[in-house]
Order: sequence, then structure tokens, then C-alpha cells
Amino acid sequence: GIQVEQSPPDLILQEGANSTLRCNFSDSVNNLQWFHQNPWGQLINLFYIPSGTKQNGRLSATTVATERYSLLYISSSQTTDSGVYFCAVIDNTDKLIFGTGTRLQVFP
Amino acid sequence: NAGVMQNPRHLVRRRGQEARLRCSPMKGHSHVYWYRQLPEEGLKFMVYLQKENIIDESGMPKERFSAEFPKEGPSILRIQQVVRGDSAAYFCASSPPYTGYEQYFGPGTRLTVT
Repeated sequence: GIQVEQSPPDLILQEGANSTLRCNFSDSVNNLQWFHQNPWGQLINLFYIPSGTKQNGRLSATTVATERYSLLYISSSQTTDSGVYFCAVIDNTDKLIFGTGTRLQVFP
Repeated sequence: NAGVMQNPRHLVRRRGQEARLRCSPMKGHSHVYWYRQLPEEGLKFMVYLQKENIIDESGMPKERFSAEFPKEGPSILRIQQVVRGDSAAYFCASSPPYTGYEQYFGPGTRLTVT
């Protein structure tokens, strides 16, 4: 099956800093999603991005499908950005395959 | 437009009891997926259903677990004779009736087996 790897596994930032999270996947995929799991455990959809670049406020994402990776950029980080960021790919059977996540802690 | 709804949000069961988890998809969505998240781990696919059909149950444990999505009413994930290892967060997601579309998640049900 498809393997999804995320890096770094942990990230500690001071408020205001920028960061880049990476997601590598081992095979062609139909689509890719980024999620934020907040400290209360809720999964929030960030991006649905099979290819190209999208931006939403301080967050943006780029997927290069031909090279099998996606990047999530967080600019001017805030304490509310803390949590775990998951990348997940949709395979040809329509199920999401999740990476192991990047745990982000932002300190004031 | 209400999001994906799950209930209960928290469920405590003693070993050997049954757990029933419910999921109502977003309006207009006919595809439902169940995922399980063990403590400190990522989410793992369990089952994919459409109305009255199980499309893919390759992630479901072979025993004690079952899922349904009836013509009327919510999708149900049922765990019989729960064991401590079943303690986890169970998430439901839904998507429109097209292949490969974005999945939207409910708030999850946190099952604790004592």
C-alpha cells in the first residue's frame, strides 16, 4: 500500500516564526488533504490539494504530484496553531491514508 | 449547513459490553468512512460505506466489529464484547457521491473501556 511520511515529527516555535511541514508519499494518488488536529482532538480541514498551490490566510500548501510530495507553510505562527498536522492521501479505493503527523508547539 | 455529526462524544464501557457509535453525514453526502485513532497515533481507515452497501471493510478487525449505513438514519459502528485495546477515538467522515472527493470529519467519539 501507499506509504505517507511526514517531517519533522516535532516542531517547537516561538510566536511569529514561520515553518514548513513536509509530506512524502510513495505512489501516485488521486488527491491529498492537510488537517490540523487541535489540542481538543478535533480534525479541521485545511487544504484539499491534489496539485498546485493554495493559500488560506497565514497558511498555504503546495503539492507536486509528479515528485510525490506536498508542503504546508505556516507564517507568523500563533499559539492557536499548536496541535498535530496530518497529511493524508486518497488512494484509488477512495480511502484516506494518513501520515504519522507533525506535532507543533507554539510558545508566546 | 450542519457538519458531520457523531454521538456520543464520549463513551465508557466495561469489558465485555457493546459499544454503538453513530454518524450522520453532511447534507448531500452519501459516502461515509470510519477511522480509528489509537492514543498518540495517526488515523487508520476501518470501513467505507454507501447507503445500504459496504464498499470496503479491509480495515475492520475480523471479529466483534461491524458497520452499517441504512437507507434511513445514521451510520452505526458496532463493537461487541469490547476489550481494553478498543479504547480509542473513532472518527467518521463523509464525502459527496463522487470518487476521490474531499472528506469532512466529525468531532469523533472517544471510547474508553474499563
